[in-house]
Amino acid sequence: EPEVTQTPSHQVTQMGQEVILRCVPISNHLYFYWYRQILGQKVEFLVSFYNNEISEKSEIFDDQFSVERPDGSNFTLKIRSTKLEDSAMYFCASSGTVNTGELFFGEGSRLTVL
Amino acid sequence: RKEVEQDPGPFNVPEGATVAFNCTYSNSASQSFFWYRQDCRKEPKLLMSVYSSGNEDGRFTAQLNRASQYISLLIRDSKLSDSATYLCVFYSGSARQLTFGSGTQLTVLP
Repeated sequence: EPEVTQTPSHQVTQMGQEVILRCVPISNHLYFYWYRQILGQKVEFLVSFYNNEISEKSEIFDDQFSVERPDGSNFTLKIRSTKLEDSAMYFCASSGTVNTGELFFGEGSRLTVL
Repeated sequence: RKEVEQDPGPFNVPEGATVAFNCTYSNSASQSFFWYRQDCRKEPKLLMSVYSSGNEDGRFTAQLNRASQYISLLIRDSKLSDSATYLCVFYSGSARQLTFGSGTQLTVLP
């Protein structure tokens, strides 16, 4: 069964460092997303990406965040200068169509900022 | 009013019990509704879509009431493996994003 894969599964970093989280969406999907979940809290939307550009982004997705699809398979989330409050589980998701809301999530990358 | 409100639980029920969760939403422009399931420290997984006419998938039944702006999930004959957090989710075409509720925690006891 096709799946979304994410690396790393866990990253520990110092405050102020740059972090790149990587995702390989399902191969024939066209819409890509990043969500995050702070421990004990709800899943929050960060950004959606389609046709090599950002479609939507939330208030959380400020200038410290960026996304990129550097090649035909990877989809990355970069946090330029991490803060303590960026500690969370980051989920990548993809979907084949946009208006259904049926997303396939990766297993997540846990980011711990010290 | 929060966009999506769910009873956080926890719901602790014995195996074989029937349990129901409700979820209310405030955005009347919401187009599509879903129940996702999230196991502890895992990713959300789509459980089922929710249609106005109601829909059933095995032991699971979902209902949508647009007039009252709530959706529900009924689980019959609960199994130990049903233990998880159930997330109420809606999709807004205008915002083009999923909005998640905080989830309702279910524990099925032997």
